Amino acid sequence: GQNIDQPTEMTATEGAIVQINCTYQTSGFNGLFWYQQHAGEAPTFLSYNVLDGLEEKGRFSSFLSRSKGYSYLLLKELQMKDSASYLCAVTDSNYQLIWGAGTKLIIKP
Amino acid sequence: EPEVTQTPSHQVTQMGQEVILRCVPISNHLYFYWYRQILGQKVEFLVSFYNNEISEKSEIFDDQFSVERPDGSNFTLKIRSTKLEDSAMYFCASREGGRDTGELFFGEGSRLTVL
Repeated sequence: GQNIDQPTEMTATEGAIVQINCTYQTSGFNGLFWYQQHAGEAPTFLSYNVLDGLEEKGRFSSFLSRSKGYSYLLLKELQMKDSASYLCAVTDSNYQLIWGAGTKLIIKP
Repeated sequence: EPEVTQTPSHQVTQMGQEVILRCVPISNHLYFYWYRQILGQKVEFLVSFYNNEISEKSEIFDDQFSVERPDGSNFTLKIRSTKLEDSAMYFCASREGGRDTGELFFGEGSRLTVL
């Protein structure tokens, strides 16, 4: 079966750094996405990785290791507005998007 | 910037009633999707649509559901006889296709409340 695992909830402090991990087992791989979702709103695109390595975009970075079926999202200089769910999603060989359950990130002052 | 638009933003309906949720995907996109998210739960795939036909559907997408692209711009999801458990946020998404990254562009969602 196809499966994406990520922690259910994480807590971090404003101004700190947090790393959200994601592991996946899918039939084929055509890329991994991270989306941010605030409660009651649609997911919004954060990052896309298809090759191994680190992609940096401002305060957010995403890492991929295809051989390990592993990715992480790194958030630096955390702000209160970063409190949200972070969804890991993988496109399989049919370009079907397989979603993780999301990691709820709680930022404390 | 092009965006996916959905209407209505919120609909309240009685159990057993028919509901139509509407979406206007980004104009040059070729693949269209409906997802739903029950409050507090994960995003669930319902159906994908390409070249005027369903390309894939999930177990959730039973005979009560149907999709249609009645013209060149709209993409609709119909629920024939709503049940209480159909209460959820319904998200439409579109993808460019071809040699794109596979990134989905989401609409802001339609909240369906079934009483």
